Amino acid sequence: KAGVTQTPRYLIKTRGQQVTLSCSPISGHRSVSWYQQTPGQGLQFLFEYFSETQRNKGNFPGRFSGRQFSNSRSEMNVSTLELGDSALYLCASSPGTEKYEQYFGPGTRLTVT
Amino acid sequence: AQSVTQLDSQVPVFEEAPVELRCNYSSSVSVYLFWYVQYPNQGLQLLLKYLSGSTLVKGINGFEAEFNKSQTSFHLRKPSVHISDTAEYFCAVSDNSGYSTLTFGKGTMLLVSP
Repeated sequence: KAGVTQTPRYLIKTRGQQVTLSCSPISGHRSVSWYQQTPGQGLQFLFEYFSETQRNKGNFPGRFSGRQFSNSRSEMNVSTLELGDSALYLCASSPGTEKYEQYFGPGTRLTVT
Repeated sequence: AQSVTQLDSQVPVFEEAPVELRCNYSSSVSVYLFWYVQYPNQGLQLLLKYLSGSTLVKGINGFEAEFNKSQTSFHLRKPSVHISDTAEYFCAVSDNSGYSTLTFGKGTMLLVSP
């Protein structure tokens, strides 16, 4: 099976712009979670989508949003970018039922200047 | 809510020596426990997991971990490390609510030198 893929791998944006990141989960997985990784805060949970519905949400401002499509692919959007949004954004997929392990993609490195 | 504490931010060790990376967690409910490894410029790879059953869990690349409920610990061990084990290791916990959300520790950088 192909693993989790994320596009793009690297992105440079300017403060105030918005950005959309994409994640394709492992075939058959219905849950997609997003995490932000920074040197200062470590790995923090953003949100989880299961069958096109947001099932859980972390403690991030409303500028961070996401969605999931019927084929389980997910996108996350960050509006009005701030310098502090520079991070590695990781997507993880999971069957979403009784198996709890998550499989991570390579991440998208976002740099905000 | 859960929390995870990885007691060492960095662990230097010589090749072929044993290593233990420490992880303690806090939770008011039953949890599932995981160790992930991250190589430079890559995502996270699952090393091993504890869901239930035997408290000694074996994972990939010769790693193992032991779940100790009374001490709320899940330490990762390897009897003999290789240069290629140099990476950052993350301990994570998930509750049994049915959601997939992981709470991670801050990570431990394992530095293996010849």
